[in-house]
Amino acid sequence: EDKVVQSPLSLVVHEGDTVTLNCSYEVTNFRSLLWYKQEKKAPTFLFMLTSSGIEKKSGRLSSILDKKELFSILNITATQTGDSAIYLCAVGGAGGTSYGKLTFGQGTILTVHP
Amino acid sequence: NAGVTQTPKFQVLKTGQSMTLQCAQDMNHNSMYWYRQDPGMGLRLIYYSASEGTTDKGEVPNGYNVSRLNKREFSLRLESAAPSQTSVYFCASSDWGDYPPAQYFGPGTRLTVL
Repeated sequence: EDKVVQSPLSLVVHEGDTVTLNCSYEVTNFRSLLWYKQEKKAPTFLFMLTSSGIEKKSGRLSSILDKKELFSILNITATQTGDSAIYLCAVGGAGGTSYGKLTFGQGTILTVHP
Repeated sequence: NAGVTQTPKFQVLKTGQSMTLQCAQDMNHNSMYWYRQDPGMGLRLIYYSASEGTTDKGEVPNGYNVSRLNKREFSLRLESAAPSQTSVYFCASSDWGDYPPAQYFGPGTRLTVL
């Protein structure tokens, strides 16, 4: 059974801090790891990682994947109150009707205080 | 282009009542998914449909049925609602043509079963 574990489950920081969110996984026929941000409503897509060691960046957010050790990290630098959200990690398998199917972690609740 | 739409946004049911949650996407995606989200549990897959005419069970299918009405629409039915089905339900879609496929989510339905 595929499994995704995120840590920490919750995190409270002040504006300007840097945070690191962790995601470890066990999945059959790994194809991709995705990060989503969820504010009040639907999760919105942040990053997709398929290869080890290649850092993806978008502004203050960056993420990297280690396929050997089966984990990914999401870094947020110079946090702002607008970064407060649930961050979800998901892993996709490959092949047949499993194509496109994702297994999600529990999520990390990030709270950024002014 | 509305993306993924869901109806209703909110619903309150009594134990034993039935209802259908509707989902539609206008992105011409092949695959569609139903998830439930409970505090501390992340997103758990209920059912998915890899393509029109096919449906498969996910992680937590008990108490639910689905219908892939056509390529655009994927409905979720609760035949006899139970308090344990109180949750936020999300529909999502993705396309085989995307590599790797990222899922796009609807706004969610908040369901309370009394």
